[in-house]
Amino acid sequence: EDQVTQSPEALRLQEGESSSLNCSYTVSGLRGLFWYRQDPGKGPEFLFTLYSAGEEKEKERLKATLTKKESFLHITAPKPEDSATYLCAVITGGFKTIFGAGTRLFVKA
Amino acid sequence: DAGVIQSPRHEVTEMGQEVTLRCKPISGHNSLFWYRQTMMRGLELLIYFNNNVPIDDSGMPEDRFSAKMPNASFSTLKIQPSEPRDSAVYFCATYSLAGIGNTIYFGEGSWLTVV
Repeated sequence: EDQVTQSPEALRLQEGESSSLNCSYTVSGLRGLFWYRQDPGKGPEFLFTLYSAGEEKEKERLKATLTKKESFLHITAPKPEDSATYLCAVITGGFKTIFGAGTRLFVKA
Repeated sequence: DAGVIQSPRHEVTEMGQEVTLRCKPISGHNSLFWYRQTMMRGLELLIYFNNNVPIDDSGMPEDRFSAKMPNASFSTLKIQPSEPRDSAVYFCATYSLAGIGNTIYFGEGSWLTVV
């Protein structure tokens, strides 16, 4: 069964304390893995797409990596404005999207 | 492009009433998804369309829910009759099947409260 699992469910960091969020997946025929950021009251906002193992993408303090079984979202020196829920999603070979439950990130000044 | 446009943004309705949520996809995007988000269950895929054709509606919770995509620029999600447990945020998202490097873009959501 296709499945996406994110961990941890919630993460509390001090400003400047780097960490990583995990997204592990088991799907048939991965077409792409997406990372989104969601703020309260808003729709998910696209961050990255990864397509193949070994791929990495960066944007400001965020860096996403992909292996055959999981993806990591690394946050370097986070700031309070990075506080949000981070969602991972995959598109399967049949163009079905599956979202993880998300990781709620809190960054304290 | 204005992005994915959803309406209404907020709706409060009484149990038993019909609710219709609307979505205008990004021009050129030929895959459209309807999601429901609650605190308890997170983001759930309800149904998706490719080229206006429903591909997978296994996520639609009950016969009270129906979705249509009469053309490439419009889709509706209807709940009839609505129940309090349908209260959630309903997101529409769209995607282009052509090429690579494509992304699913979300609308701002329709916040439904059924009392």
